[in-house]
Amino acid sequence: QKEVEQDPGPLSVPEGAIVSLNCTYSNSAFQYFMWYRQYSRKGPELLMYTYSSGNKEDGRFTAQVDKSSKYISLFIRDSQPSDSATYLCAMIRTGANSKLTFGKGITLSVRP
Amino acid sequence: DTGVSQNPRHKITKRGQNVTFRCDPISEHNRLYWYRQTLGQGPEFLTYFQNEAQLEKSRLLSDRFSAERPKGSFSTLEIQRTEQGDSAMYLCASSGAGLYNEQFFGPGTRLTVL
Repeated sequence: QKEVEQDPGPLSVPEGAIVSLNCTYSNSAFQYFMWYRQYSRKGPELLMYTYSSGNKEDGRFTAQVDKSSKYISLFIRDSQPSDSATYLCAMIRTGANSKLTFGKGITLSVRP
Repeated sequence: DTGVSQNPRHKITKRGQNVTFRCDPISEHNRLYWYRQTLGQGPEFLTYFQNEAQLEKSRLLSDRFSAERPKGSFSTLEIQRTEQGDSAMYLCASSGAGLYNEQFFGPGTRLTVL
């Protein structure tokens, strides 16, 4: 079993839909939680970063962390075709030289 | 452009050949990471430098892989005697020091071993 599991894809939604992306993790030493977006043939870029349990909002994006359940989510409101990309959850363990442990990624397609 | 750059962007080689990739991090960043990403998977950590010191290597980094960061600036990743299983995207990221700092990724080098 991998340390970070991400819901399998691909996912296709109509423009304007609310998208929910989820990851679970097994190691309670993970303390920092990130969501990255990766367009085809590009490197990942950071979307959201959270440390504590709860919600963090940035425009149309909301990141949610539940440390007690070892579960993180990313919500995208009013999804746009430009949101079509692969979304990767990533985590950092304390004392781990800040190296990222990624989920498998899920490919999202937003249909106009 | 002040982002992370990687060269070459694509490399096609025959099995058994040696290849070398270069990463130029953001100039003020003292941390540099290498990751490998295969098709349909998330990136996996390979190795980490703080300045010129290589502080951690993953079990994924076999003896055929070596990485350097002379003078704490650019970094190179060399793969000797390439195998078909080495085909992947090799990503470099850099960050500042501290408990948590955002890692900025380069565009990656896509390696195909024939």
